[in-house]
Amino acid sequence: GQQLNQSPQSMFIQEGEDVSMNCTSSSIFNTWLWYKQEPGEGPVLLIALYKAGELTSNGRLTAQFGITRKDSFLNISASIPSDVGIYFCAGFLNAGNNRKLIWGLGTSLAVNP
Amino acid sequence: GAGVSQTPSNKVTEKGKYVELRCDPISGHTALYWYRQSLGQGPEFLIYFQGTGAADDSGLPNDRFFAVRPEGSVSTLKIQRTERGDSAVYLCASSLGQGRQAFFGQGTRLTVV
Repeated sequence: GQQLNQSPQSMFIQEGEDVSMNCTSSSIFNTWLWYKQEPGEGPVLLIALYKAGELTSNGRLTAQFGITRKDSFLNISASIPSDVGIYFCAGFLNAGNNRKLIWGLGTSLAVNP
Repeated sequence: GAGVSQTPSNKVTEKGKYVELRCDPISGHTALYWYRQSLGQGPEFLIYFQGTGAADDSGLPNDRFFAVRPEGSVSTLKIQRTERGDSAVYLCASSLGQGRQAFFGQGTRLTVV
């Protein structure tokens, strides 16, 4: 099915470094979501973006909804070991329609203490 | 508990057998979703319930898959004549309503041998 282009596919960084990942699509999205998934767990919502240009922070996490509505990025500042996991972007093609939530393939993050 | 609960957490079954996967959503959440996640992929939509009825089952891969939610709370995903290709993590999510933030369970890892 349709998926978002998420990059990078994986990252291995040192504790304390900043991290940046992004998602792009050829389609316009009304909502962008960033999830984190740890082994054996379901995805947990980190940040939700609802308007083009919106910049939202959640602690050390910052995400932005691209002006063109076709992309979004997630930044993690001063990474710590518990940031390890797979980060997924997801977006709604139709406003507020969970059932059409399109997912990226994920960015696997490893943090070296 | 306060979150979405899925049982069993792991299920190993032989090819051709029938399996049932259970999802206990957050109390009061009228919307319930089933997703399937294969290794290295984002979640893939299967079916969406609003109350007791399946509002959208377009993601079910074939007629071996069926889901019910008879009382508008607990849902059961049923897979007949399992095949090795059915092996995946089956995720359940619930929300207060369509378009509202969805909370995921930890998933059921199904392995068909």
